[in-house]
Amino acid sequence: QKEVEQNSGPLSVPEGAIASLNCTYSDRVSQSFFWYRQYSGKSPELIMSIYSNGDKEDGRFTAQLNKASQYVSLLIRDSQPSDSATYLCAVNKGRDDKIIFGKGTRLHILP
Amino acid sequence: GAVVSQHPSRVICKSGTSVKIECRSLDFQATTMFWYRQFPKKSLMLMATSNEGSKATYEQGVEKDKFLINHASLTLSTLTVTSAHPEDSSFYICSASGGRLGSSYEQYFGPGTRLTVT
Repeated sequence: QKEVEQNSGPLSVPEGAIASLNCTYSDRVSQSFFWYRQYSGKSPELIMSIYSNGDKEDGRFTAQLNKASQYVSLLIRDSQPSDSATYLCAVNKGRDDKIIFGKGTRLHILP
Repeated sequence: GAVVSQHPSRVICKSGTSVKIECRSLDFQATTMFWYRQFPKKSLMLMATSNEGSKATYEQGVEKDKFLINHASLTLSTLTVTSAHPEDSSFYICSASGGRLGSSYEQYFGPGTRLTVT
């Protein structure tokens, strides 16, 4: 079982709709969870961090964490074409500074 | 926000030469810096983790004598690709973390260095 799993996509969402990105992780002791956005040919950019169960909102982005189900998600409201990118889910287990990345989900917002 | 710079952004070198890439945290002290490599349309691959003043920890399969890492200060880490070959051509990206006392292991990435070995 991979440590961090994501559907590779592509996920196509109409402009203005809600994009929902999902991620599961295998190690129950994981403590910190991150979503990064990576445009083609660019480096990853941190867009959300979440550490406790529940929802965390920042502008059009909402991260959701369910530690019991070992599941973390990212919702993007009012999707824009500029949101088209690969979204990487990442997890830190709390033992050291390393974070484990998923392979990413390609999101395509349809104008 | 936390800003990480990387230099150069793009480099072309001849086979057999060495290339040094610098990574700097501009507005925070990075207790740990990471070096990643990414091939086109592939996932990020962690190469090594470095802490200021100590030897880097390399991931399995990464040659430490080929990819020399120096973390001289809390704001600067360098990666030197020695005796580069065409198969070393890739996108090299550093990241920096403030660790437990910073932002709970958030990593901030530099813009990356695209290396082409001819």
